[in-house]
Amino acid sequence: GQQVMQIPQYQHVQEGEDFTTYCNSSTTLSNIQWYKQRPGGHPVFLIQLVKSGEVKKQKRLTFQFGEAKKNSSLHITATQTTDVGTYFCAESYGNKLVFGAGTILRVKS
Amino acid sequence: EAGVVQSPRYKIIEKKQPVAFWCNPISGHNTLYWYLQNLGQGPELLIRYENEEAVDDSQLPKDRFSAERLKGVDSTLKIQPAELGDSAVYLCASSLTSGGPGELFFGEGSRLTVL
Repeated sequence: GQQVMQIPQYQHVQEGEDFTTYCNSSTTLSNIQWYKQRPGGHPVFLIQLVKSGEVKKQKRLTFQFGEAKKNSSLHITATQTTDVGTYFCAESYGNKLVFGAGTILRVKS
Repeated sequence: EAGVVQSPRYKIIEKKQPVAFWCNPISGHNTLYWYLQNLGQGPELLIRYENEEAVDDSQLPKDRFSAERLKGVDSTLKIQPAELGDSAVYLCASSLTSGGPGELFFGEGSRLTVL
């Protein structure tokens, strides 16, 4: 089964509001990846985090890896309608990638 | 450069019928994955190939599912016989790295409906 828990399962925000999704694990992660899947589409890689406490930014997206490497977050500043979709975290478990259940983001314009 | 190509995009069959899905990974990507995605859930790994070798098939239901990657490039995933619970999207992905997952490039998926 899946090793990482994602919260919330679903979030509906007004355009311009911020959004955050969290990924939590009971075990120490070697690294974590984030993917975005648009409705009807396929998962697309966003970023990989490797180091404890790492913070990476991509325009309005900020990714963090916890100091203990047991959690990660994705924060979107000032959401836009193009941000809608499901955001998945995925952890390296052995030599395979295990995905969380995802957080569905809907944006009201 | 072409991405990961999958076919068919959609397939509707009756239960107990066989079905096959085909995947052509990105050129030069030695690692190929088949994932299953149920509605509202994350992708779940079925099998991972390094070249033509299946290095992780622990999640593949071998009584009805089979996969092959004979020349280390294209791959096929077969279900025989299909059951109602097999209705899902079957995603193929490839990556450049071996020995551990790097960035995965996914195909559009094959959506299976079993009636």
